[in-house]
Amino acid sequence: GQQLNQSPQSMFIQEGEDVSMNCTSSSIFNTWLWYKQDPGEGPVLLIALYKAGELTSNGRLTAQFGITRKDSFLNISASIPSDVGIYFCEKGGSEKLVFGKGTKLTVNP
Amino acid sequence: DAGVTQSPTHLIKTRGQQVTLRCSPKSGHDTVSWYQQALGQGPQFIFQYYEEEERQRGNFPDRFSGHQFPNYSSELNVNALLLGDSALYLCASSLLQGAGSPLHFGNGTRLTVT
Repeated sequence: GQQLNQSPQSMFIQEGEDVSMNCTSSSIFNTWLWYKQDPGEGPVLLIALYKAGELTSNGRLTAQFGITRKDSFLNISASIPSDVGIYFCEKGGSEKLVFGKGTKLTVNP
Repeated sequence: DAGVTQSPTHLIKTRGQQVTLRCSPKSGHDTVSWYQQALGQGPQFIFQYYEEEERQRGNFPDRFSGHQFPNYSSELNVNALLLGDSALYLCASSLLQGAGSPLHFGNGTRLTVT
């Protein structure tokens, strides 16, 4: 089946630092979606990408849909304590829905 | 506008028992997907319902079954519970039409099987 590889698995950073994480796949996707999950809650959509090469921002978050359609990255600038959580990428579309295993972010104040 | 609501929030069951989890989708959404999330893992797709029928299914045994009602709400049933079924069960709603329609998740039902 389709696999999504997220890296890194976990990150420990200082408040104010920038963060970068990525998601790769062996197959081509038409849509990349990035979610954040806080403890005890369901994932919440951060950014959706629909075109190869697309670069989209949402406040301090920036995500790009790789030109090969097999990868995507998510950047967080000037991290703050509330950025703590688990970040997931998802292959969107009508096919079976697949999530990566997540990147756990810890921000030290 | 209510988002996705799930009930109950927590549940403790014994091996061999059966459980039913419930989900009400976000207003205006017609598709409901169910996920199992083990501790420290990403959500694993169980199945998706649209127009009261199972539209897609992940790699889960037949012990996992579901239903969608005319008002788009949905149930997840698990029979003959195993210890390994302990997990957070997430429901997500979306619109079927449109490529990559984002999922709106509920806060999940935490199932513990003892």
